[in-house]
Amino acid sequence: GAGVSQTPSNKVTEKGKYVELRCDPISGHTALYWYRQSLGQGPEFLIYFQGTGAADDSGLPNDRFFAVRPEGSVSTLKIQRTERGDSAVYLCASSADGDTQYFGPGTRLTVL
Amino acid sequence: AQSVTQLGSHVSVSEGALVLLRCNYSSSVPPYLFWYVQYPNQGLQLLLKYTSAATLVKGINGFEAEFKKSETSFHLTKPSAHMSDAAEYFCAVTVSGGYNKLIFGAGTRLAVHP
Repeated sequence: GAGVSQTPSNKVTEKGKYVELRCDPISGHTALYWYRQSLGQGPEFLIYFQGTGAADDSGLPNDRFFAVRPEGSVSTLKIQRTERGDSAVYLCASSADGDTQYFGPGTRLTVL
Repeated sequence: AQSVTQLGSHVSVSEGALVLLRCNYSSSVPPYLFWYVQYPNQGLQLLLKYTSAATLVKGINGFEAEFKKSETSFHLTKPSAHMSDAAEYFCAVTVSGGYNKLIFGAGTRLAVHP
């Protein structure tokens, strides 16, 4: 079956701009997670959705970051007033049972 | 709080040699533990997981890991390295049961040379 998909695969933007990153989870997975992976580091948790609601957003670094999942499937991570430090690979994962998370290929964000 | 320490950011082995990637964890509650592999410009692929059943866990591609509570370790091994095993490996921990975030180590880059 289809895995987790993320679009775009690459995004280049200028400092101060707004970006949206999309995640399409595995069909039927109720849980969806966003992580950020900076160069040379392991992924760091950002936010977790159970259905349509954000069950844990403790990893969002500041109020420039926001995520939604309006219909309990596709999720969008939104970053306002991007900064060079936001450059990273943004990973999405989904889970059916909570035990195992399946990751997408990621979106590489570059802020110039 | 939970944390993961991966000893050795880079490991190099010869093709056919034993692979040993070290992972130590810290957790105040019973953990679930995972190893993921990441090939260049790709997402994370699950190699294996420990979820409180057997302490010796077998995964894909001939990898296995043993959960040792007394040593708070979950080291990844493979008896004979293959060139295709060259990748970045991440150990991760989470709280057992329920839907919980993964806490990742910094990763170990494995190089395999002929």
